[in-house]
Amino acid sequence: EIVLTQSPATLSLSPGERATLSCGASQSVSRNYLAWYQQIPGLAPRLLIYDASSRATGIPDRFSGSGSGTDFTLTISRLEPEDFAVYYCQHYGSSPITFGQGTRLEIK
Amino acid sequence: EVQLVESGGGLVKPGGSLRLSCAASGFAFSSRSMKWVRQAPGKGLEWVSSISTISGNIYYADSVKGRFTISRDNAKNSLYLQMNSLRAEDTAVYYCARGNGIRGVNAFDIWGQGTMVTVSS
Repeated sequence: EIVLTQSPATLSLSPGERATLSCGASQSVSRNYLAWYQQIPGLAPRLLIYDASSRATGIPDRFSGSGSGTDFTLTISRLEPEDFAVYYCQHYGSSPITFGQGTRLEIK
Repeated sequence: EVQLVESGGGLVKPGGSLRLSCAASGFAFSSRSMKWVRQAPGKGLEWVSSISTISGNIYYADSVKGRFTISRDNAKNSLYLQMNSLRAEDTAVYYCARGNGIRGVNAFDIWGQGTMVTVSS
């Protein structure tokens, strides 16, 4: 099983700032089958990034993903008020599919 | 509009059973793999099960293997999760989700609103 560790657990930033969220895998993620999701409390998760760096349909270009192997990053270039939420990384290349524990992005 | 709508959640006693359903609309259901994901109150996301387009490949998390059964009816555009021998730790919001492509390995691009399952005496 691939264990995903996200850091930091909580990130406090202001609108307009740049956010960098990290996701480390316990072993190499095959073919970079790594996704990022955003979840606003009380709502379902929303797919942001898949295959480590491909933006999902309708996702603004201020969201970008990078990385390979065991180290991945989600970057939000300029934070908008609606971006403050919980973010999860996920690997889906093999069973069991696993999620990281989440990073809470809060308004400073 | 592409949509997934779950139903069937509720309160059940430990050891009991429940069947969740997920109705799909707005896309070619039979061409997409489908998944169940759960989220315990105040906790993170946990993948539960996946099923391929014609049910040829089925996978389960170890935590539910032998107790839960995923299935689909492509004629009815519906996904199911039969949950038996329920435990308190199965208490969660259960989401169905769609695979984001036609290849065998997919992220989850469309999610339902979730249905709450509470296991308590």
